[in-house]
Amino acid sequence: AQSVTQLGSHVSVSEGALVLLRCNYSSSVPPYLFWYVQYPNQGLQLLLKYTTGATLVKGINGFEAEFKKSETSFHLTKPSAHMSDAAEYFCAVSDGNNFNKFYFGSGTKLNVKP
Amino acid sequence: GAVVSQHPSRVICKSGTSVKIECRSLDFQATTMFWYRQFPKQSLMLMATSNEGSKATYEQGVEKDKFLINHASLTLSTLTVTSAHPEDSSFYICSAPGTRLYNEQFFGPGTRLTVL
Repeated sequence: AQSVTQLGSHVSVSEGALVLLRCNYSSSVPPYLFWYVQYPNQGLQLLLKYTTGATLVKGINGFEAEFKKSETSFHLTKPSAHMSDAAEYFCAVSDGNNFNKFYFGSGTKLNVKP
Repeated sequence: GAVVSQHPSRVICKSGTSVKIECRSLDFQATTMFWYRQFPKQSLMLMATSNEGSKATYEQGVEKDKFLINHASLTLSTLTVTSAHPEDSSFYICSAPGTRLYNEQFFGPGTRLTVL
């Protein structure tokens, strides 16, 4: 069975500081991993995804994540936070037998201080 | 890009009544859609897979008679919460996959259900 753990329900950083949002997963098969962002009153928007190939994936808005199989992690980073990054972020893993079925972490709310 | 809408965005109902939530793919067709439930400060939990032209597939622990799903067309899936109770109050989100293999899901904005 697949599951996702996001450490830290709230993360606060200063504008310009490094953003690090943690995600660990468990999966019985090679996973497909995703990060989504949700702004207030909006749907989830894909930031980036890992399926196969290069383990460091780059997404929109300057975000990137690295798939580390040995650590079963897929942490999301951004070198320099911007005020507009304030939102809730969800890590997700897809079902290895049905790639369209997703399992989500509990989410991390990112606050960016001026 | 692909857009998924949900209606209504918020609904308040009395215990014992039924509530229907619509999920529409606006600019693409979706033979499959997914329904999620999100409790405050918790994960999105996959409830069921909605299949156009056939019965929905429910995840373990989800009552199919409680949460009726109908995939009426290639662009519309509905979730009906029957005989609603206060514990059914939650945020319900639908999604539809894109057309590419391993594609991301396109999510609706969600529906906040409050049962009094």
